[in-house]
Amino acid sequence: QQQVKQSPQSLIVQKGGISIINCAYENTAFDYFPWYQQFPGKGPALLIAIRPDVSEKKEGRFTISFNKSAKQFSLHIMDSQPGDSATYFCAASRWGSQGNLIFGKGTKLSVKP
Amino acid sequence: EAGVTQSPTHLIKTRGQQATLRCSPISGHTSVYWYQQALGLGLQFLLWYDEGEERNRGNFPPRFSGRQFPNYSSELNVNALELEDSALYLCASSFNEQYFGPGTRLTVT
Repeated sequence: QQQVKQSPQSLIVQKGGISIINCAYENTAFDYFPWYQQFPGKGPALLIAIRPDVSEKKEGRFTISFNKSAKQFSLHIMDSQPGDSATYFCAASRWGSQGNLIFGKGTKLSVKP
Repeated sequence: EAGVTQSPTHLIKTRGQQATLRCSPISGHTSVYWYQQALGLGLQFLLWYDEGEERNRGNFPPRFSGRQFPNYSSELNVNALELEDSALYLCASSFNEQYFGPGTRLTVT
């Protein structure tokens, strides 16, 4: 009940295309869903996060969509650029219990010029 | 505002030796988390310290240990190093959201 399942494992997108990464969680008590972006040899950087009081959150080209009934959330990267090529991790926890942040296994995104 | 800092950047040790990794959290953050990221793999949770106490521990053997100091900085110790301990060790700190440092690359030969 503590797992976060992330798909796909890898993704290749053409420049200008839309990248979509999906995550599913099991614990209905989770109410905090962040996404992290990691470049090779660097630490993950917090990209965008959502609480379930909204179904969508947008920051620039990055959008989180959240479906509470399906226990799923996804990251959409619009107008994908080669500089977006990185590994993306979704995560979930109870707000206020971020010490128990559960991470997905990651998606390696390659954006081809 | 300075982010999470980790030292050293790289560490090369021989099998059987001990390694000590250090982390300084963002000012005002009282929680520190340690993760192991082996090459090509995801983030494996190691330890969580808050207010100087160990709050949670991942599925790692006891030779992985650590502590948190009164200034909230933290140290991760790995004893009796094995070849499979070679990985990027990441530290994160939080008040609410977790922010990661750049990591320490540990290589065991």
